[in-house]
Amino acid sequence: QSVLTQPPSVSAAPGQKVTISCSGSSSNIGNNYVSWYQQLPGTAPKVLIYDNNKRPSGIPDRFSGSKSGTSATLDITGLQTGDEADYYCGTWDSSLSAWVFGGGTKLTVL
Amino acid sequence: QVQLVQSGAEVKKPGASVKVSCKASGYSFSTYVLSWVRQAPGQGLEWMGWISVYNDNTIYAQRFQGRVTMTTDTSTRTAYMELRSLRSDDTAVYYCARLYGDSEGDWFDPWGQGTLVTVSS
Repeated sequence: QSVLTQPPSVSAAPGQKVTISCSGSSSNIGNNYVSWYQQLPGTAPKVLIYDNNKRPSGIPDRFSGSKSGTSATLDITGLQTGDEADYYCGTWDSSLSAWVFGGGTKLTVL
Repeated sequence: QVQLVQSGAEVKKPGASVKVSCKASGYSFSTYVLSWVRQAPGQGLEWMGWISVYNDNTIYAQRFQGRVTMTTDTSTRTAYMELRSLRSDDTAVYYCARLYGDSEGDWFDPWGQGTLVTVSS
């Protein structure tokens, strides 16, 4: 059972928008910055979003992140079949003194 | 470019130990923290801990304390993760990842390609 809660799966049609949520508590998301990772099938994770809403160079602006209170959200617009992947949120948990990940969300582009 | 290259797949028997390596290139090795994250088959990411290459300080996830040791060799720019008393549920892909950060937060970038460790009798 993950400290951060994500929906197991989301789906949408190409070109549409999808939102992936990540729910935590005051000891993690509420007081620390959130990052998001994309894991394409058979590959290592890659950072998509850091510091709640910043994109590394090379990440298209179709990907955006936000945080409010103890929850974070990843939005993906203009969905492409190449976006099919598992997505993970992560942050530091000050009570556990440990980095925590969400359980992951599998995105299917129908 | 900044890169982490890990050692190859391992097959171990229950009760044995495994030592996975992670060779860094393209950045100042001693400046950063290196973390280890594992992923069991079909499961999510699990943080195991990290080591400061600068001063060898470590933080281990509670469930691995006493069973894991993370070390570095600055002469070869390589980090190591040793896991002892292996069980079948330690079967997983093990990733190393550099902890990067700015004045606000931290995140993992880049990641190694992963090392599959299979524990089977």
